[in-house]
Amino acid sequence: EPEVTQTPSHQVTQMGQEVILRCVPISNHLYFYWYRQILGQKVEFLVSFYNNEISEKSEIFDDQFSVERPDGSNFTLKIRSTKLEDSAMYFCASSAMDRGTGELFFGEGSRLTVL
Amino acid sequence: DQQVKQNSPSLSVQEGRISILNCDYTNSMFDYFLWYKKYPAEGPTFLISISSIKDKNEDGRFTVFLNKSAKHLSLHIVPSQPGDSAVYFCAAGGATNKLIFGTGTLLAVQP
Repeated sequence: EPEVTQTPSHQVTQMGQEVILRCVPISNHLYFYWYRQILGQKVEFLVSFYNNEISEKSEIFDDQFSVERPDGSNFTLKIRSTKLEDSAMYFCASSAMDRGTGELFFGEGSRLTVL
Repeated sequence: DQQVKQNSPSLSVQEGRISILNCDYTNSMFDYFLWYKKYPAEGPTFLISISSIKDKNEDGRFTVFLNKSAKHLSLHIVPSQPGDSAVYFCAAGGATNKLIFGTGTLLAVQP
């Protein structure tokens, strides 16, 4: 069964450092998303991406964040200068459509720890 | 921002019995609602959804009920199995797949 894969599974970084989280969405999907879950809190939407541009972003997704699809398979989330409050589990998701189903396929997540 | 709320952080049920997980929402503009299941160290997995124009959707052991006037939905699992033990998230969406999640309910099904 096709799945969304994410790397790394866990990254520890120092505050102020840049981090890149990588995702390989399901191959025939066209819509890509990043969500995150701070420990003990709800899963929160960060950004959606379609046709090589951001479709929608939340207020969390400020100038420190960026997303990119550098080739035909990878989808990346970059945090330019990490803060302590960026520590969270980051989930990549993909879907075939962007409306009406909400049926997203999530990866297993990348745990980011900022020290 | 508490648009989607799950007021029960945990629920314990005996194997074979019914599990009922509840969710309330405040935004009447949501087009559809979903339940996701999450095991530790895994991403959320889509379970079942319901359009805002329906009041019930059933898929095997899982049934979701929507009461729009009360802005309430529930997930029924019958019969509950130990493998159902996980965190269940209620979520809601509108025109896109920007989903608003609840805080989750940890279901423990006791053998």
